[in-house]
Amino acid sequence: KQEVTQIPAALSVPEGENLVLNCSFTDSAIYNLQWFRQDPGKGLTSLLLIQSSQREQTSGRLNASLDKSSGRSTLYIAASQPGDSATYLCAVGPTGFQKLVFGTGTRLLVSP
Amino acid sequence: DAGVIQSPRHEVTEMGQEVTLRCKPISGHDYLFWYRQTMMRGLELLIYFNNNVPIDDSGMPEDRFSAKMPNASFSTLKIQPSEPRDSAVYFCASRAGLNRVNEKLFFGSGTQLSVL
Repeated sequence: KQEVTQIPAALSVPEGENLVLNCSFTDSAIYNLQWFRQDPGKGLTSLLLIQSSQREQTSGRLNASLDKSSGRSTLYIAASQPGDSATYLCAVGPTGFQKLVFGTGTRLLVSP
Repeated sequence: DAGVIQSPRHEVTEMGQEVTLRCKPISGHDYLFWYRQTMMRGLELLIYFNNNVPIDDSGMPEDRFSAKMPNASFSTLKIQPSEPRDSAVYFCASRAGLNRVNEKLFFGSGTQLSVL
């Protein structure tokens, strides 16, 4: 059974810092990996999607990497801003199935 | 596109009552998912549909839960009878098929359900 873990569970940084969120998964047979952002009381917003054949994806200040063999992904946020404060979740899509398995999330707080 | 639309946003009901949650997926998306989110268990997939057909309902916790998708633009999740342990945020999500370029999952804003 695929298990997805995110470390740290919570992170607090001052504005302007670069930071890395970690995601690990137990079964490397995945189709893709997605990073989501969830604001309090809101739904999830997809940030980046990495296909299993890709190593990384970039969008603005966000960069996500994928290392299938080691079962790891990282989300790098450059020059963090207070507006980045949210919970970040990663989710893996098992090969041949549609059932995304979500991680436990990292709650990020960026202070002005 | 208005995105995935869920209603109601909040639902408060008493134990034993029937609850119906509604979802309108993004037009053109042929997959629809129902998730439940709690502090204890995180996000759990309850059921998903492909082209209006239920594909996998193994995540549905009990027979009290049922879901339908009568057409491509509407789905319901029903709980009858409801229990306090059903209190959670229920999300609907949709996506295009695997063979399309953009396979991102799009979520609605969720329904906060409280069963007293």
